[in-house]
Amino acid sequence: GAGVSQTPSNKVTEKGKYVELRCDPISGHTALYWYRQSLGQGPEFLIYFQGTGAADDSGLPNDRFFAVRPEGSVSTLKIQRTERGDSAVYLCASSANGGYTGELFFGEGSRLTVL
Amino acid sequence: GESVGLHLPTLSVQEGDNSIINCAYSNSASDYFIWYKQESGKGPQFIIDIRSNMDKRQGQRVTVLLNKTVKHLSLQIAATQPGDSAVYFCAEKAGNTPLVFGKGTRLSVIA
Repeated sequence: GAGVSQTPSNKVTEKGKYVELRCDPISGHTALYWYRQSLGQGPEFLIYFQGTGAADDSGLPNDRFFAVRPEGSVSTLKIQRTERGDSAVYLCASSANGGYTGELFFGEGSRLTVL
Repeated sequence: GESVGLHLPTLSVQEGDNSIINCAYSNSASDYFIWYKQESGKGPQFIIDIRSNMDKRQGQRVTVLLNKTVKHLSLQIAATQPGDSAVYFCAEKAGNTPLVFGKGTRLSVIA
């Protein structure tokens, strides 16, 4: 596809459940970022991948959050034992350059609602 | 009552007028700044960027001004159009660190 693709676009789950959110970056982009956006706020950084490795996971709020990018393309954000406070839009972005340089291209996000 | 977080600063302008959206940034070490536009239900979209060694940069209908002395960034949109209605975020970066977004301003264009 032409842009960053995220699935599902909407996910409703119950407190305590496990959730996976998928990001398919722009083909050839080596850098991939996950951000979280709460209502009325700007996106907050979660994690950055350069290739297959997590170069910076300093934004992950706690050990319930984990992300992988096993083949250096598609990434999955995994949230265990979801809590109501995890409700937000999870945004994925990719860029052609690494090291936080270059323009970030964002997907439309996955809206997570934890009941 | 509603959460304070739901009340974004709002700027309403008449179609055809110029818009100025302001942003105060916090990190004096930031050396790169970007303005993003976010329409409802979509991800942020890059508008224009500026490095800290510049104080002004122009694009198509948009100008970004940077005042490092007071840590202030502004986005000027010329001849504002209905399609410019969106939430605008400034974002800053210091060296090899992630992009940090501000809280956003909602721009409403009155036809």
